[in-house]
Amino acid sequence: EAQVTQNPRYLITVTGKKLTVTCSQNMNHEYMSWYRQDPGLGLRQIYYSMNVEVTDKGDVPEGYKVSRKEKRNFPLILESPSPNQTSLYFCASSSGGHQPQHFGDGTRLSIL
Amino acid sequence: GDSVTQMEGPVTLSEEAFLTINCTYTATGYPSLFWYVQYPGEGLQLLLKATKADDKGSNKGFEATYRKETTSFHLEKGSVQVSDSAVYFCALSDSTDSWGKLQFGAGTQVVVTP
Repeated sequence: EAQVTQNPRYLITVTGKKLTVTCSQNMNHEYMSWYRQDPGLGLRQIYYSMNVEVTDKGDVPEGYKVSRKEKRNFPLILESPSPNQTSLYFCASSSGGHQPQHFGDGTRLSIL
Repeated sequence: GDSVTQMEGPVTLSEEAFLTINCTYTATGYPSLFWYVQYPGEGLQLLLKATKADDKGSNKGFEATYRKETTSFHLEKGSVQVSDSAVYFCALSDSTDSWGKLQFGAGTQVVVTP
C-alpha cells in the first residue's frame, strides 16, 4: 500500500530537548515536504526536498532542520524546541512538481 | 505573493443538503488548483484537482470548476452525507514555482448532521 509514515503520532516534551520526527514514503517519490498546521492558518510549508541531498526552506523554516540522505526518508529535527512550535505536523511526498501530494497522518507535538 | 482565501467555518448542514465552499485565489503564474479533505485524526487526501481554466475536477460527488475570470475554485456537492464531515482545504500550486509548493487556504470545517 502506498503510504507516507510519520513517527511519533503524538509527543509531549519540554523546551530545549532535541527531538526528531521521522517520515518515510514507499512510493519512490523524489519530492518531499514538511508542513505545520495551525488553527486559522491552514498548512504552511517548513522545508522541502526535491531529491537526495537537495533541500530548501519553505515559508516558516526558523527553528527546524531537515536532512535527505535517502530518497525514502525525510526527518524533521527540532534542535531546541520552544512552545511556539507546538503544532500539528505533516509530511508529504509527490512524484514531481505540481503533482498531487500524499500526506502522512500527522504528528501532534506539544512543547511545554 | 500567492494566496488562497476560503470561507470560514464551521459549516453545519443536514444530511442531503447542498454544500458550497467558496475559494478564491491570487497567483503570479498559471496555477493548478486542488481541494484536499482531512477527516478527523487523519492526514490530508486529495479530493479533486484542475490544472487549467474551465477545467472541472470531480470526485465522490464533489465538483469544482477552475474559473480564471473570477479567480475562483468553489467546491460543491449536491447531497451531503454524515461521512462528508471533515475539514476541506483549497490549495494552489503556481506554475512559477518549479517545486510545485502547495499554498493552502485556512480550511473550512464541515459538519453534517443526520
